[in-house]
Amino acid sequence: GAVVSQHPSRVICKSGTSVKIECRSLDFQATTMFWYRQFPKKSLMLMATSNEGSKATYEQGVEKDKFLINHASLTLSTLTVTSAHPEDSSFYICSARDGAGPEKTQYFGPGTRLTVL
Amino acid sequence: EDKVVQSPLSLVVHEGDTVTLNCSYEVTNFRSLLWYKQEKKAPTFLFMLTSSGIEKKSGRLSSILDKKELFSILNITATQTGDSAVYLCAYSGNTGKLIFGQGTTLQVKP
Repeated sequence: GAVVSQHPSRVICKSGTSVKIECRSLDFQATTMFWYRQFPKKSLMLMATSNEGSKATYEQGVEKDKFLINHASLTLSTLTVTSAHPEDSSFYICSARDGAGPEKTQYFGPGTRLTVL
Repeated sequence: EDKVVQSPLSLVVHEGDTVTLNCSYEVTNFRSLLWYKQEKKAPTFLFMLTSSGIEKKSGRLSSILDKKELFSILNITATQTGDSAVYLCAYSGNTGKLIFGQGTTLQVKP
């Protein structure tokens, strides 16, 4: 299957700092990428849909100024958690869709574990 | 509101047992239903189902979709300890967004 990478895999930061997470599709072009958040023992919660060359679409309740998304190329989307607080600590996972169309499979990156002290 | 419900939420079996995991959904604009396996990191893709009644198989795993009754099942035969994981069911609509169920945590004991 298609490969999606995320970097970094783990990050620890101080409260108030900003953290950038990268999501890359390694062997295919992804016009659409998705960002999820997962709390311990909980399912994945969609945060936003990232479209190459346009603004991201955020789910209800997700602050767009707090979670900045940039999808600058067909293989890279970034999520920046701005002014991070301890409650932002979570597992962040991206996925990329292999091809256009909602019927195409989404492949997930390995996730980034963020800990805000 | 679109909803995906999985059952059971957790399951403990012994190696060699067969398990059936359930996923029911109430959604608009259904396109496909997907199953993922999640161990310690991000989910890995298992199956995508779009048509009713067509079973998909991969080794000891199989899955089928019933669009009339709005549910899907994931079967695992001759379970092994390596099957221990959280199994996630998700629906995809017209936008391509995935809406996940709560997951079923499967533990296979030796």
